[in-house]
Amino acid sequence: AQTVTQSQPEMSVQEAETVTLSCTYDTSESDYYLFWYKQPPSRQMILVIRQEAYKQQNATENRFSVNFQKAAKSFSLKISDSQLGDAAMYFCAYRRNEKLTFGTGTRLTIIP
Amino acid sequence: DTGVSQDPRHKITKRGQNVTFRCDPISEHNRLYWYRQTLGQGPEFLTYFQNEAQLEKSRLLSDRFSAERPKGSFSTLEIQRTEQGDSAMYLCASSLPGQSLYNEQFFGPGTRLTVL
Repeated sequence: AQTVTQSQPEMSVQEAETVTLSCTYDTSESDYYLFWYKQPPSRQMILVIRQEAYKQQNATENRFSVNFQKAAKSFSLKISDSQLGDAAMYFCAYRRNEKLTFGTGTRLTIIP
Repeated sequence: DTGVSQDPRHKITKRGQNVTFRCDPISEHNRLYWYRQTLGQGPEFLTYFQNEAQLEKSRLLSDRFSAERPKGSFSTLEIQRTEQGDSAMYLCASSLPGQSLYNEQFFGPGTRLTVL
């Protein structure tokens, strides 16, 4: 079975600084998708960024980028120029076929 | 389109009672998913539908749980004889069909269940 591990339960960053959230996963498959989702307090989960396993190029969405290391099964999220609105739980997720497998999340706090 | 909606947003019930939740997906999405999220954990997959067909069920979905999507539009999740361990956030998501990276799952706000 696939597993997703987020080893940082909580992280904090000064506003305007950069922070990196870690994620590792375990799978025997070669073709799959990886995602980072954001869950603000009392609000619904939204997709931040996505990556296809067979693409070596790291995905980027504005201030959000990933460092995808397929051999190491690592998929970290970098948030640049952190803003107060980035405060949320961040979940790393793996998808093969239909279902998403999530990590336990990292709570990100932005310090003004 | 207002996204995925779920009703109710909060439900408090006594142990042993039955509860039913509803999910309305994005209108053109024919895939619908249910997840459960307990405190301090990420969401866990329960089941999913393509149109009205239930295609996969997790072993987490005990026989007290049943999900339906009778006309391929909205879905209901019923929990019979609730237990305190059922207390969680129940999330619904929907997507377009296919394995494309861009067929992302859009999540609803969830129904928070508290079993006393």
